[in-house]
Amino acid sequence: NAGVTQTPKFQVLKTGQSMTLQCAQDMNHNSMYWYRQDPGMGLRLIYYSASEGTTDKGEVPNGYNVSRLNKREFSLRLESAAPSQTSVYFCASNENRGTQYFGPGTRLLVL
Amino acid sequence: GQQVMQIPQYQHVQEGEDFTTYCNSSTTLSNIQWYKQRPGGHPVFLIQLVKSGEVKKQKRLTFQFGEAKKNSSLHITATQTTDVGTYFCAGGSGTYKYIFGTGTRLKVLA
Repeated sequence: NAGVTQTPKFQVLKTGQSMTLQCAQDMNHNSMYWYRQDPGMGLRLIYYSASEGTTDKGEVPNGYNVSRLNKREFSLRLESAAPSQTSVYFCASNENRGTQYFGPGTRLLVL
Repeated sequence: GQQVMQIPQYQHVQEGEDFTTYCNSSTTLSNIQWYKQRPGGHPVFLIQLVKSGEVKKQKRLTFQFGEAKKNSSLHITATQTTDVGTYFCAGGSGTYKYIFGTGTRLKVLA
């Protein structure tokens, strides 16, 4: 039982490049989330998926797209990376708006 | 939009001293969650409060939810070096979205 897994762990991009962050959970949770955390700050919600087949914008969705591929997987795509997107990205999942289980995070640096 | 603020931003305490962090929401919450994040780690769930005026304890940690369901606090009695980390509250509004507070970074001096 791995919980929530994220790939990659680290990534360096050049401005304008694109990439997809992958997230998977094996807890059979309906809801999944993407957050970003900037140094010394809290977590800000980018997008969430309340259930398979639905996605909604969070606090800071600009510059990102998401796909809820199936119940297990929720990916985050940066179409044209910008230095302002340098951050640590966390994926989380939960059931019935309860405890959120977080993945280990992806550290992204955009040059 | 909904905002959740936490104070203080930083707190340094001597081991054995008490510690409290406060969380204030701009809107009434349906529930509040608390998380702990160790340096370099990911947030880990501590507790969820749902009822107005609710108080819950976990060993040396005491959590309170305000009567108006707009504020909450976490109190640690007799801090230990293992308590080091950043403590976040996350306010739920009855939807699937949670808004996280800015966090309080706790440093415990041995």
